[in-house]
Amino acid sequence: KNQVEQSPQSLIILEGKNCTLQCNYTVSPFSNLRWYKQDTGRGPVSLTIMTFSENTKSNGRYTATLDADTKQSSLHITASQLSDSASYICVVTLNTGFQKLVFGTGTRLLVSP
Amino acid sequence: GAVVSQHPSRVICKSGTSVKIECRSLDFQATTMFWYRQFPKQSLMLMATSNEGSKATYEQGVEKDKFLINHASLTLSTLTVTSAHPEDSSFYICSASGGGQAYSNQPQHFGDGTRLSIL
Repeated sequence: KNQVEQSPQSLIILEGKNCTLQCNYTVSPFSNLRWYKQDTGRGPVSLTIMTFSENTKSNGRYTATLDADTKQSSLHITASQLSDSASYICVVTLNTGFQKLVFGTGTRLLVSP
Repeated sequence: GAVVSQHPSRVICKSGTSVKIECRSLDFQATTMFWYRQFPKQSLMLMATSNEGSKATYEQGVEKDKFLINHASLTLSTLTVTSAHPEDSSFYICSASGGGQAYSNQPQHFGDGTRLSIL
């Protein structure tokens, strides 16, 4: 069964600190892995997309890593800001020629002052 | 960047009413549009995929007569929830992709969702 699991479910950190979110997947055939940020009551916003051959990709203070052998990914947030408070969703695309996405349940991050 | 506009953002209506939700790609041509449903604290669940000018492809368990999808142009798709009931209350989100080469690696751009509440 195609699944994407994320940990932790929720996380509270102090403003300015770094954090790392984890994603494990059992999806086949694999096309790419995406990280999205979703603010409460809003649609997801793309942070990164990584294909099989990419190990790391950065977008500002966000850095995603991918280990296709162990089927693990992480999202590292540097120097967190209050506006980083949101759900972060790991999504894997099936390699079927169509954009069939398998969503994780997300990690809820709260950055406190 | 690519912008997807979804309207309305919130709907509250009586049971039995039909509700139409619009999804527009503002600055790109959306070859394919997707409709998702999200319950509180759960992940997005794909309801259907639609290609411009074609009938939508519905996921297993999604009633096509209940959730009517129209994708008549490259910039507009609509989802109509027919004879809505309280169990249809949810957060509905559309997304759009421009297609082209390496289709599966194309980004999906999401709208801001529609909160549907059926009384």
